[in-house]
Amino acid sequence: AAGVIQSPRHLIKEKRETATLKCYPIPRHDTVYWYQQGPGQDPQFLISFYEKMQSDKGSIPDRFSAQQFSDYHSELNMSSLELGDSALYFCASSFGQGALEQFFGPGTRLTVL
Amino acid sequence: AQSVTQLDSHVSVSEGTPVLLRCNYSSSYSPSLFWYVQHPNKGLQLLLKYTSAATLVKGINGFEAEFKKSETSFHLTKPSAHMSDAAEYFCVVSEGAGYSTLTFGKGTMLLVSP
Repeated sequence: AAGVIQSPRHLIKEKRETATLKCYPIPRHDTVYWYQQGPGQDPQFLISFYEKMQSDKGSIPDRFSAQQFSDYHSELNMSSLELGDSALYFCASSFGQGALEQFFGPGTRLTVL
Repeated sequence: AQSVTQLDSHVSVSEGTPVLLRCNYSSSYSPSLFWYVQHPNKGLQLLLKYTSAATLVKGINGFEAEFKKSETSFHLTKPSAHMSDAAEYFCVVSEGAGYSTLTFGKGTMLLVSP
């Protein structure tokens, strides 16, 4: 069965650079969630989208923005990168807002030097 | 507000012995509860979920968990550990339909020795 696809899987950036992470949900899933997992930390919810509209917002820094496109894929844009942004970024998808189960992608590991 | 407390940061067992990973939750509403497993450098895999149906939930790979409302607990168990069970386990709470943001516990690292 098709799973959530994230690209790239690994990304290395310098401080103050920008990065764009992409997430392709499971086909027919209309809701996408972004999570950030710092080294040795639990995943923290950043933001979610349902039917291309932001549905919930967590601890996403103002330097980050995200959107969901008409084909339901989502992009997380990160600007003015800081060392502390180094983390594993997970995308998850579900069918319907408020769905009880989220399906996680493999994550994008971002390293900021 | 919802929260999850995983009572042990590390649990060590021998192969073939029982596994118990403890989780307590706090939620203002009827929660949905999940256990996810994360193997090193891998994504999150759902082990099992409780969604207000049967209180004893069976998951993949022989794991199960029991929802105890009176104790606000959702402990994860397995009768016999396997080496491949070594991973980090996250207890997760969601406040249910219409509000599906997941709140993760800090995780418990399960170590399995031969």
